[in-house]
Amino acid sequence: DAGVTQSPTHLIKTRGQQVTLRCSPKSGHDTVSWYQQALGQGPQFIFQYYEEEERQRGNFPDRFSGHQFPNYSSELNVNALLLGDSALYLCASSPRLAGWKRAQYFGPGTRLTVL
Amino acid sequence: ELKVEQNPLFLSMQEGKNYTIYCNYSTTSDRLYWYRQDPGKSLESLFVLLSNGAVKQEGRLMASLDTKARLSTLHITAAVHDLSATYFCGNYGGSQGNLIFGKGTKLSVKP
Repeated sequence: DAGVTQSPTHLIKTRGQQVTLRCSPKSGHDTVSWYQQALGQGPQFIFQYYEEEERQRGNFPDRFSGHQFPNYSSELNVNALLLGDSALYLCASSPRLAGWKRAQYFGPGTRLTVL
Repeated sequence: ELKVEQNPLFLSMQEGKNYTIYCNYSTTSDRLYWYRQDPGKSLESLFVLLSNGAVKQEGRLMASLDTKARLSTLHITAAVHDLSATYFCGNYGGSQGNLIFGKGTKLSVKP
């Protein structure tokens, strides 16, 4: 049973560019959340998707957008990259019906470096 | 708005010693989650605490939750080098998706 997978593993971009990160949830999970983790910090919630719609959003600008596909996989898009966007981007999945009772399962992350 | 605070942020221990990591949160909640992160790796779920007085143990780690004090503890017994990692506690801010984490406790266990 594959866990949460993310691609690519590493990415280097320059300021002003756009980037797309991808996530496939754990089998049986229908909800995907994205987090940004700056070096030495805890993960910060970006947004959550289920039923192909953004359901919750953290304190991130509109440059951050996402999508969820019918197979529950998800993309995170970041436009007009800034140096401060350099971070580890984590995708987490969970089964929505389990509610609070289950922990979110995190993927290995995508390390984004903006030069 | 929920805030989660951990202390200490850095912890250097000798093998064989015991220590406790503390996690305080600012709003009423009856759940708390502990994760482990190894350097350059993702977060691994350790414990899910879902009620006041909940206690869970795995190996040398034991987590507990006091919802009245808004406090969770992660107790390390007879530390070994393999426990060296960063430990995060987290709680849901307002919805199922909005998991808010503390800054993490970086644990280093030395021989």
